[in-house]
Amino acid sequence: QQQVKQSPQSLIVQKGGISIINCAYENTAFDYFPWYQQFPGKGPALLIAIRPDVSEKKEGRFTISFNKSAKQFSLHIMDSQPGDSATYFCAASTAGGTSYGKLTFGQGTILTVHP
Amino acid sequence: EAGVVQSPRYKIIEKKQPVAFWCNPISGHNTLYWYRQNLGQGPELLIRYENEEAVDDSQLPKDRFSAERLKGVDSTLKIQPAELGDSAVYLCASSGNGRPYFGPGTRLLVL
Repeated sequence: QQQVKQSPQSLIVQKGGISIINCAYENTAFDYFPWYQQFPGKGPALLIAIRPDVSEKKEGRFTISFNKSAKQFSLHIMDSQPGDSATYFCAASTAGGTSYGKLTFGQGTILTVHP
Repeated sequence: EAGVVQSPRYKIIEKKQPVAFWCNPISGHNTLYWYRQNLGQGPELLIRYENEEAVDDSQLPKDRFSAERLKGVDSTLKIQPAELGDSAVYLCASSGNGRPYFGPGTRLLVL
């Protein structure tokens, strides 16, 4: 019940295209859904996050879409750039108190943006 | 503001040897996490500290892994003895009252 399933495992897009990564969760107690970006040799860095009281959140070129009834959420990267090439992880946790960081991560998506 | 500091960055050891990782969290962050990231996988939580107290260590393999956070600041994660399957990146993260910030990790290779 703690799993977060992420797809696809890898994604190749052309510069300027849209990258879409999907995640599904099982635990209905989750109420905080972040996306992390990780470059080789670095730790994960928070990209954008959403709470289930909204269906969409946009920050610059990055948008999270959230479907509570389907227990799914996705990351959309608009106008993808070669510098976006990295591994992306979805995650989930319960946001109450200090549980923000008790994250359950997806398996990761390796994004490659070709120039 | 300095980020989470981890050392060493890389460690190569032979199986059955002990190894230790050190983490210095962001100043003022009371919550500290150790995660393990296997190759090609997402991080998995090993242990979570609130100040010096381990409040969640259910995923820590206690037969060979130990951790401590003396004085509620720096933390050390130890493996003794190491096994081949322990090869992974060990990530430390810290948080104040919100989202965690991750360090760069220690990449461990057990031969």
